Amino acid sequence: AQRVTQPEKLLSVFKGAPVELKCNYSYSGSPELFWYVQYSRQRLQLLLRHISRESIKGFTADLNKGETSFHLKKPFAQEEDSAMYYCALSGRGSNYQLIWGAGTKLIIKP
Amino acid sequence: DVKVTQSSRYLVKRTGEKVFLECVQDMDHENMFWYRQDPGLGLRLIYFSYDVKMKEKGDIPEGYSVSREKKERFSLILESASTNQTSMYLCASSSPTGVLTDTQYFGPGTRLTVL
Repeated sequence: AQRVTQPEKLLSVFKGAPVELKCNYSYSGSPELFWYVQYSRQRLQLLLRHISRESIKGFTADLNKGETSFHLKKPFAQEEDSAMYYCALSGRGSNYQLIWGAGTKLIIKP
Repeated sequence: DVKVTQSSRYLVKRTGEKVFLECVQDMDHENMFWYRQDPGLGLRLIYFSYDVKMKEKGDIPEGYSVSREKKERFSLILESASTNQTSMYLCASSSPTGVLTDTQYFGPGTRLTVL
C-alpha cells in the first residue's frame, strides 16, 4: 500500500539546534517526494521537492531509496521555522494525486 | 505567481443546510483538488478534477459532491451539512506538464463550522 509516515506529531527544539523531521514512505515504484510547509495563518506551500535537489531556507532533504525515507534537515533552527510540515509523495500513474503524511508541528524555542 | 482563491475564510452553517465552497485559480491549471485538513489526520483528499466536467473521488467523498464547469473554478458542495463536516477545507491546483509538474498550489482555506 502507498503510504507516507511522519512518526512525530510534534517536535520541539531550541533555536540554533539541528532539526530533523522524519518522513518514511511505502511505494512500489519511483516516487517523487515533497515537503510542504504551513506557517501560522498562511497557506500551505511547497518547501522543496527531491527532484530539484535544492536547499530552501536552509532546509535539505535527501531521498534514501534503501531506507525509503525523505527526512528534512536543517543544521541550525531559527524561530521563523516554527510551522506545520507535511511530507508528500507523488507516483506516476496516480493522476497526479499526492499521498500525504499526517504532518509534524515544529516548535522552535528561543 | 499562482493564485488560488477560496470564496470564504470562515463559514458557519447549520446542520442540514446545503453548503457551497468555491475555489478559483488563475494559472490555467488542469488539475484541481479539495482536501479536508484536520489535526492529527493531515490532508485527506475529498475529490479532484483533471479537466472540465471531469471528477474523481478521493479518499473521503461521502457527503460531498463537486462541480467543475469551467477550468478555473472548482466547487465543493455539502448536500446536507453535518457536525462531523466541521473542518478546514483546502483547495489546490496543479499542472501535469512543465518544470513544476505535480506541485500543488493551495488556497488560504475555508474554516467551516457546522452547528
